Amino acid sequence: QVQLVQSGAEVKKPGASVKVSCKTSGYTFSTYNMHWVRQAPGQGLEWMGMINPSGAGTTYAQKFQGRVTMTRDTSTSTVYMDLSSLISEDTAVYYCARGLWTWLLDYWGQGTLVTVSS
Amino acid sequence: EIVLTQSPGTLSLSPGERATLSCRASQSVTSNYLAWYQRRPGQAPRLLIYGASTRATGIPDRFSGSGSGTDFTLTISRLEPEDFAVYFCQQYGRSASSFGQGTNLEIK
Repeated sequence: QVQLVQSGAEVKKPGASVKVSCKTSGYTFSTYNMHWVRQAPGQGLEWMGMINPSGAGTTYAQKFQGRVTMTRDTSTSTVYMDLSSLISEDTAVYYCARGLWTWLLDYWGQGTLVTVSS
Repeated sequence: EIVLTQSPGTLSLSPGERATLSCRASQSVTSNYLAWYQRRPGQAPRLLIYGASTRATGIPDRFSGSGSGTDFTLTISRLEPEDFAVYFCQQYGRSASSFGQGTNLEIK
């Protein structure tokens, strides 16, 4: 069955970077785009961007341009989301999610809590 | 950007009752590209409904979606204990996407 397993919780200081991984299994890795979505405390879900695992092409939400980098490792069927210059407002649960079609997301990871605190 | 407003914010019901959740869009949703997701505590979100009314694979038929244009509804016909969770809607048009704030369905 399709599984997306994310890395564990992180605590970072302001200005630092965080890298969250999402290991996939149960399907052909290169066939589906992978999206990253986050939810800050008390806020709604926010789309951050996506990566095409086949050619590594990326599309980022304008809000995160210049701060986010999404990559993939085809040998381990894993995608990564790197967010730099962290501020307290980046404290959130970060999810990876498989794109079935455009932004329709059919399988999600369990979420990774990133806490930014001095 | 299309803004999705879900109501109510919290819905308190008992097992066996019927739940009706609303998702209203600030402008018409392209081709009814509207999805509903469920998130149980500590679990990954799960796709329930897409295309406003099509159940995803493995979703029980007590879940149904309806609506078009700017007004959409998720109905759970008879609540089971495992249905108490947060539900959120999403519009996934060809050029953009946005999510609602979510409805917390809690046990009364």
